[in-house]
Amino acid sequence: AQKITQTQPGMFVQEKEAVTLDCTYDTSDQSYGLFWYKQPSSGEMIFLIYQGSYDEQNATEGRYSLNFQKARKSANLVISASQLGDSAMYFCAMRGGADKLIFGTGTRLQVFP
Amino acid sequence: ETGVTQTPRHLVMGMTNKKSLKCEQHLGHNAMYWYKQSAKKPLELMFVYSLEERVENNSVPSRFSPECPNSSHLFLHLHTLQPEDSALYLCASSRGQGIGNEQFFGPGTRLTVL
Repeated sequence: AQKITQTQPGMFVQEKEAVTLDCTYDTSDQSYGLFWYKQPSSGEMIFLIYQGSYDEQNATEGRYSLNFQKARKSANLVISASQLGDSAMYFCAMRGGADKLIFGTGTRLQVFP
Repeated sequence: ETGVTQTPRHLVMGMTNKKSLKCEQHLGHNAMYWYKQSAKKPLELMFVYSLEERVENNSVPSRFSPECPNSSHLFLHLHTLQPEDSALYLCASSRGQGIGNEQFFGPGTRLTVL
C-alpha cells in the first residue's frame, strides 16, 4: 500500500530564512510522482512542485526545491528566503501506478517577521 | 474566469436536506476529482471522472452522488447527510490521469451538516 508521512505538524521560520518540510513515502511502484501543495487559510490547494521517480535532478521552482532521496524514500520541500505569505499548510502527495493521488497529513508553516 | 471554481463556498444543511455542490474547470482538462478534507485527516479521494466516465468510487456512501455532464462540470449531490460529513469538499482537475499530471484544485466548499 502507498503511504505518505509528514512528521512535522507545525514549523516556525523567520522571514528570509530557509525552511525544510519533511516528507517520506512508501510504495512498491517503480514509477511514481511526488508533489507538494500549499493550502492557505482560504482553502485552495496550490500546486508547488513535482518530482518524478526517474528524474535525476532535484526539481526546483523559484524559491521551492525538492530534496529527493530515492534510497531513503524522502522528498523534502525546501523553501528559501521565506516570506510572510508562505504561512500555510503544506501537503506532500504521491501518485503511483494506481493513479490515485495520496496525501500526507500536512505541515502547518508559520513565518514570523 | 480561469482555473477551477466551486460553488457555493459555504453550505449549512440539515440532515434531511438535499443540496448540490458544483465544480467548473476552465483549463481544458479531461479528468475531474472530488476530495473530502476533514480536520486532522489526509485528503480523501472520493470520485474520479475521466472523459466524463466515472473511473473511481472510493467506497463513498450512497448519500453522496456525483454527476459529470461534460468535461468542464462536476457536481456532487448530497442527501440525508450525517454530521460527520461536515468537511471541506475540494474539486480538482488534471490534463490526464498519468503519474506526472498535477491536479489543480478549486477553493473548496465548506460544508456543515447540522
